[in-house]
Amino acid sequence: QQQVKQSPQSLIVQKGGIPIINCAYENTAFDYFPWYQQFPGKGPALLIAIRPDVSEKKEGRFTISFNKSAKQFSLHIMDSQPGDSATYFCAAYRPTGANNLFFGTGTRLTVIP
Amino acid sequence: EAQVTQNPRYLITVTGKKLTVTCSQNMNHEYMSWYRQDPGLGLRQIYYSMNVEVTDKGDVPEGYKVSRKEKRNFPLILESPSPNQTSLYFCASRPGGTDTQYFGPGTRLTVL
Repeated sequence: QQQVKQSPQSLIVQKGGIPIINCAYENTAFDYFPWYQQFPGKGPALLIAIRPDVSEKKEGRFTISFNKSAKQFSLHIMDSQPGDSATYFCAAYRPTGANNLFFGTGTRLTVIP
Repeated sequence: EAQVTQNPRYLITVTGKKLTVTCSQNMNHEYMSWYRQDPGLGLRQIYYSMNVEVTDKGDVPEGYKVSRKEKRNFPLILESPSPNQTSLYFCASRPGGTDTQYFGPGTRLTVL
C-alpha cells in the first residue's frame, strides 16, 4: 500500500512556468514532509521540507503548500529553469515505528528552454 | 566529506551469479536502507537497518539479503540474481530520531 501518493508522473513546462507537483497521505501520524530532488545519475537529495504546523514554506524559487485538513501538500517551482529538470520525490515521516520514512513514486520534470 | 558511497556504480552480470553491492557511510548514522528505483514505481525500500545487527524487510525484500556487522557498512547481497532485479539501487543513511535521509550515488545493475 502506497503511503504517499504523488502526481503527476511526468511534467513538461516552458522556462518561466510554474510546475506544481502534488502529494497526498492518509496517516495522521506523519509530522514531517520533505521533498527530494534527483538529477540524472545522482542520488536524491533533500530540497525543502515542511512541518504540519505551517501552511506554506518558501526557499528561493521553491515553495511547499500544505493543507492539513485535506492531507495534501504540493511543491511549486517559481520561474522554472532548464536546470530544474530533475525527478522530484515527496516523502512523509512519522516519529514512531521502526520504518518511518515513506516516499512518493516521483515526478519527472522537464523544463524546456 | 560526509557521504554515502556505493560500489560498484555499474554492474552487468548473468542470471544466478552471486553478487554484492557495498555501501558505506562516514557520518556515524544509525539508520541505513537500500532502495531500488524503477520507472513509474519510484523508490521502493528493500531492507533497512536501525543499528548494528538489527535489520528488517522493507517493501520488496524477495531475492535480497543484507547484513550490518559494522555501523558504517550495509552491503546488499543478491544470492542468485534474476533479470527482474535489473534496476537502479540506492543506499541511504540517516541519524536515529531524525528525518533527513542521505543517499548514495546509485548502482545500476543489469542482470542478463
